[in-house]
Amino acid sequence: DAGVIQSPRHEVTEMGQEVTLRCKPISGHNSLFWYRQTMMRGLELLIYFNNNVPIDDSGMPEDRFSAKMPNASFSTLKIQPSEPRDSAVYFCASSEDLGTRYEQYFGPGTRLTVT
Amino acid sequence: EDQVTQSPEALRLQEGESSSLNCSYTVSGLRGLFWYRQDPGKGPEFLFTLYSAGEEKEKERLKATLTKKESFLHITAPKPEDSATYLCAVQGTSYGKLTFGQGTILTVHP
Repeated sequence: DAGVIQSPRHEVTEMGQEVTLRCKPISGHNSLFWYRQTMMRGLELLIYFNNNVPIDDSGMPEDRFSAKMPNASFSTLKIQPSEPRDSAVYFCASSEDLGTRYEQYFGPGTRLTVT
Repeated sequence: EDQVTQSPEALRLQEGESSSLNCSYTVSGLRGLFWYRQDPGKGPEFLFTLYSAGEEKEKERLKATLTKKESFLHITAPKPEDSATYLCAVQGTSYGKLTFGQGTILTVHP
């Protein structure tokens, strides 16, 4: 299997621009997670889906952030408008299902820089 | 709110010098404690899940243990390829929701 696929791998944008990050989970996995990693705050869960339905979005920092999962093989995380403090590495992860017995597999991440 | 604290922040070892990393946690209703390894520029890679106090799991030079308040990741006779950031996470009452610690950066010198 190709693992979790994220695109783009690097994104540089100017403040105020819209940014869309994309994720393709592992085939057959029913759960998908979006994380953000920074030096100051570490790895934080933003939102997660099960069977394409958002379960918990309490980690989404502001209304500028939104996420969708239109089907089992694709999800997007959108930031509009972007700000310099959004600069971070964004990871997507997937698992077979929710629960402790299902390990999460992480993608390679998207490094976002907002200038 | 679930909380995870890892120590030390960074650890430098000589090849073959065994040591332990600590993960202290506060969670209401622990469902599982997870250890991940993260190499520079990559996503975290799953190592272990521990479910209850007293449980131990091993993989090559790594052994993870769990008590009611903390977990240890013991590294026996480490090699330079064990150099990485080791992350600890807990899952409480919300299925699927992991809370991560800040990680321990391990460097093993040859």
